[in-house]
Amino acid sequence: GAGVSQTPSNKVTEKGKYVELRCDPISGHTALYWYRQSLGQGPEFLIYFQGTGAADDSGLPNDRFFAVRPEGSVSTLKIQRTERGDSAVYLCASSSRGPTSYNEQFFGPGTRLTVL
Amino acid sequence: KQEVTQIPAALSVPEGENLVLNCSFTDSAIYNLQWFRQDPGKGLTSLLLIQSSQREQTSGRLNASLDKSSGRSTLYIAASQPGDSATYLCAVKPGGTGANNLFFGTGTRLTVIP
Repeated sequence: GAGVSQTPSNKVTEKGKYVELRCDPISGHTALYWYRQSLGQGPEFLIYFQGTGAADDSGLPNDRFFAVRPEGSVSTLKIQRTERGDSAVYLCASSSRGPTSYNEQFFGPGTRLTVL
Repeated sequence: KQEVTQIPAALSVPEGENLVLNCSFTDSAIYNLQWFRQDPGKGLTSLLLIQSSQREQTSGRLNASLDKSSGRSTLYIAASQPGDSATYLCAVKPGGTGANNLFFGTGTRLTVIP
């Protein structure tokens, strides 16, 4: 059916606030990825889920960032005490199998986060 | 750590021209390489995926090649159209069981002039 969806499409917040970004992967896709893209740069990996578990969170920049995927489908990226440097486009991707396959990653439209 | 470089950073061509975008990567131990298109303010659209055992993939006017040993890939666009204007990103998925993500280049911003 539908592709990867992300909400909200835009989020403006003030420094120090808490934000949640949501990702709905393609139905049936077990692998889910979060990336962050700063202006003029390519996306950078944040975290990878296989099913419900965070199999690799090595890309999270610090402990203010956290992500969950409690039922193995929808994922939420949570950022505490936001800083101006967190401003970026947050992209979510999903694929039908795990990382050791050749399956393509399909990306959502992203959430543009602006921290004032 | 895998590093991906794309040259040129920006390219402007008249409509109808054939063009080549370049991508290089530092670690040749990859599982696959993907080319994406990104329109301003939008997400990424997958164009072509080349497995590490393949040399090229074709889709319509697009042809992507892979030379894994030299760490290079090219995206060839035939008969360019104004609708091809976008940023093109290449990304590699490293080999090995510890790799779970794509490493991206910074992209080539293509403008096709009518």
